[in-house]
Amino acid sequence: DIVMTQTPLSSLVTLGQPASISCRSSQSLVHSDGNTYLSWLQQRPGQPPRLLIYMVSNRFSGVPDRFSGSGAGTDFTLRISRVEAEDVGVYYCMQATQPTWSFGPGTKVEIK
Amino acid sequence: QVQLVQSGAEVKKPGASVKLSCKASGYTFINNYMHWVRQVPGQGLEWVGMIYPRDGSTSYPQKFRGRVTMTSDTSTSTIYMELSRLTSEDTAMYYCARDSYAFDVWGQGTMVTVSS
Repeated sequence: DIVMTQTPLSSLVTLGQPASISCRSSQSLVHSDGNTYLSWLQQRPGQPPRLLIYMVSNRFSGVPDRFSGSGAGTDFTLRISRVEAEDVGVYYCMQATQPTWSFGPGTKVEIK
Repeated sequence: QVQLVQSGAEVKKPGASVKLSCKASGYTFINNYMHWVRQVPGQGLEWVGMIYPRDGSTSYPQKFRGRVTMTSDTSTSTIYMELSRLTSEDTAMYYCARDSYAFDVWGQGTMVTVSS
């Protein structure tokens, strides 16, 4: 099974400053159809997860453009260009390239 | 709008089974894979399994095989997840999610508490 890791597991960020989360998979996430099904989810306290980015770099409907995703193969990054108070929460990367789906352990983002 | 509405909270005794439901609306139900994901309080997300309502095919991770059964009812656009032989380690919030290149729509969650 594919194992997903994330760094850091916790991040203290100043409002208005950028933040970056790294996600690494134990195997390449390139699917047999040529696509890479790596997505990023945000979970605010007390809420279900919410999709931010799909297929590495595609912003989901309604997601602010301060969120961006990049990467390829086994290494991926979520960037927040200027952190706002509403961005507090836990961020998960998730892979759907293989017949099983799996999540990273999550990165908790808090405001300094 | 696309919506997933889950059944209410459950309290079960160890060894019992629980069956959760997730009703979809606002899109063509049979077109998307549907998943169940769980979250133990204070911990991360864990994939429990998938069902394709169009043909009823399923996929479960090794951890849950033999203990989880997912079904769908196309007449009511509802999926179900039954988990048997419950232990305290199954105490968690259970979410259903629609798969459209990613898990783009989530249910509100159903809390399952296993306690003697």
